[in-house]
Amino acid sequence: ILNVEQSPQSLHVQEGDSTNFTCSFPSSNFYALHWYRWETAKSPEALFVMTLNGDEKKKGRISATLNTKEGYSYLYIKGSQPEDSATYLCAWVSGTYKYIFGTGTRLKVLA
Amino acid sequence: EAGVAQSPRYKIIEKRQSVAFWCNPISGHATLYWYQQILGQGPKLLIQFQNNGVVDDSQLPKDRFSAERLKGVDSTLKIQPAKLEDSAVYLCASSLGTFTGELFFGEGSRLTVL
Repeated sequence: ILNVEQSPQSLHVQEGDSTNFTCSFPSSNFYALHWYRWETAKSPEALFVMTLNGDEKKKGRISATLNTKEGYSYLYIKGSQPEDSATYLCAWVSGTYKYIFGTGTRLKVLA
Repeated sequence: EAGVAQSPRYKIIEKRQSVAFWCNPISGHATLYWYQQILGQGPKLLIQFQNNGVVDDSQLPKDRFSAERLKGVDSTLKIQPAKLEDSAVYLCASSLGTFTGELFFGEGSRLTVL
């Protein structure tokens, strides 16, 4: 069974804090790693699509890194704001183009 | 550009009843996915279409779930009869192609089975 795990499951941080989450995935048969943000009552939106070992992507205060050899990706949020409150999902894409999602990390930023 | 449209947003039914969800993907997107997201779990692929052909339906409970994508555009997912464990958010997503492209999601249809 192919497993994609995310940690922590949930966390609360204060406004202005920086935080990071982990996505662990199988290191073999890797094709791509996606990060999505899912706000309540909205549709999940893609943050990053990462394909190369060592990739680093950045969008505003959010950045992500990728280590395909050891099978993990980190998502960082610098200076969290209440509008960052959401569930962050990662999806591992296999060499046969199957998407397997993690269970997500639920972030709550307290003002 | 219009996003992925889904309806209904919410549906409450009794077990053994039937329900249907509708999805209209982004124009020009060849690949359409239906995911089931049960509370506390990650989205699980139910079925993937490439145009109007099925690419993967290995996790679709075919005794009660069915899906079609007529003319390679809109899609309908049906559950008949529903069970309590079918309570979930049903997400439709589309992408330009099959291979690793970014997924564009609808807002989901939340089903509660009583």
